Amino acid sequence: SQQGEEDPQALSIQEGENATMNCSYKTSINNLQWYRQNSGRGLVHLILIRSNEREKHSGRLRVTLDTSKKSSSLLITASRAADTASYFCATELGSGAGSYQLTFGKGTKLSVIP
Amino acid sequence: GAGVSQSPSNKVTEKGKDVELRCDPISGHTALYWYRQSLGQGLEFLIYFQGNSAPDKSGLPSDRFSAERTGGSVSTLTIQRTQQEDSAVYLCASSQEGTRGRPQHFGDGTRLSIL
Repeated sequence: SQQGEEDPQALSIQEGENATMNCSYKTSINNLQWYRQNSGRGLVHLILIRSNEREKHSGRLRVTLDTSKKSSSLLITASRAADTASYFCATELGSGAGSYQLTFGKGTKLSVIP
Repeated sequence: GAGVSQSPSNKVTEKGKDVELRCDPISGHTALYWYRQSLGQGLEFLIYFQGNSAPDKSGLPSDRFSAERTGGSVSTLTIQRTQQEDSAVYLCASSQEGTRGRPQHFGDGTRLSIL
């Protein structure tokens, strides 16, 4: 099964509101990354948080990581129509074979209504 | 600078035919990954190349799938005797080196449709 699972599967908000997406995972990780995918395009890296970090910020993005609960959240503040996309979390394992692989969840589809 | 380039962007072929997908990574990136994304799904890891090391093929779904990377740069993913369940978007990504915590840079993918 997928290492990362996002929820909600879909989220629709008004422009200017905040959007929160959550990701849960199952095994020990080295880091967790969030990516954005616009329709018909590849994934774009947004932010990486390491297992020894609890929170990171990048512009309007805030990511938290709770390794005790094996969960992460991505907050987009003051959303814009251009933020409409699918958002994926991806985990990189802590050790062992395949540790350089990223395991992706199924994504949250965010719609920001102007 | 140039990003990851994939070709063709779309490919429609008949069941049973072989297809070859190409990925041109970012110059200087030693790590290259292939993923498959089915409609509305996340990404499924297929294969990973790092420098001159033997590739990690653990994600290839069957022996109909193979990939090579010549000269440490361009990679081709070949699917032989295609089946309808092979229909998906095939994404390629590269990163600076195969160490932990390196963001991956993706191409826009090849949308493969098997009739």
